[in-house]
Amino acid sequence: GNSVTQMEGPVTLSEEAFLTINCTYTATGYPSLFWYVQYPGEGLQLLLKATKADDKGSNKGFEATYRKETTSFHLEKGSVQVSDSAVYFCALSVRRDDKIIFGKGTRLHILP
Amino acid sequence: DAGVIQSPRHEVTEMGQEVTLRCKPISGHDYLFWYRQTMMRGLELLIYFNNNVPIDDSGMPEDRFSAKMPNASFSTLKIQPSEPRDSAVYFCASSLRGTSSGNTIYFGEGSWLTVV
Repeated sequence: GNSVTQMEGPVTLSEEAFLTINCTYTATGYPSLFWYVQYPGEGLQLLLKATKADDKGSNKGFEATYRKETTSFHLEKGSVQVSDSAVYFCALSVRRDDKIIFGKGTRLHILP
Repeated sequence: DAGVIQSPRHEVTEMGQEVTLRCKPISGHDYLFWYRQTMMRGLELLIYFNNNVPIDDSGMPEDRFSAKMPNASFSTLKIQPSEPRDSAVYFCASSLRGTSSGNTIYFGEGSWLTVV
């Protein structure tokens, strides 16, 4: 079946550190891949996405590249800020199946 | 745009009581999703609708849960009778033309349910 595996948290970093959150997937066919972010007390919101292999999604300094050969979609940011503290979800959807499958989420704490 | 609107934001109820959660999707969106979020199980898809018709309810945990979408602008998720293990955050989300082509889904702020 289709599934997403992402690194367990919490991840704690100092401000301006480099961030990587790993995400790998299993899917039938060619999925679209997403990163969603959830700030405290809020719903999830789309951070970035990529719909085909080698695409790079980017937003707010975050980037992720769709790697078909390694079935991965790792999230990176060169210099994190305190305001990036949130829970990050990797997710996928496949063609002809109109639902998104989410990973369990990775909680990120950024220390000033 | 007002976004996805859910009510109530917070609900505390006693075991055995009926709980009804409500959702208004973004105008014009033809897909509506109900998710449940807990620490133990993460984010689970309960059910989704396309043009008001339930498409996949395989995530509904048991017969105590039911969902309806009587029109394009309103959906309910009902739990009857409620149990403490139903305590969770319930999210409603909507999208235009589904997610199979990489379309975005938009989440409401959630309904925080506590069953005591």
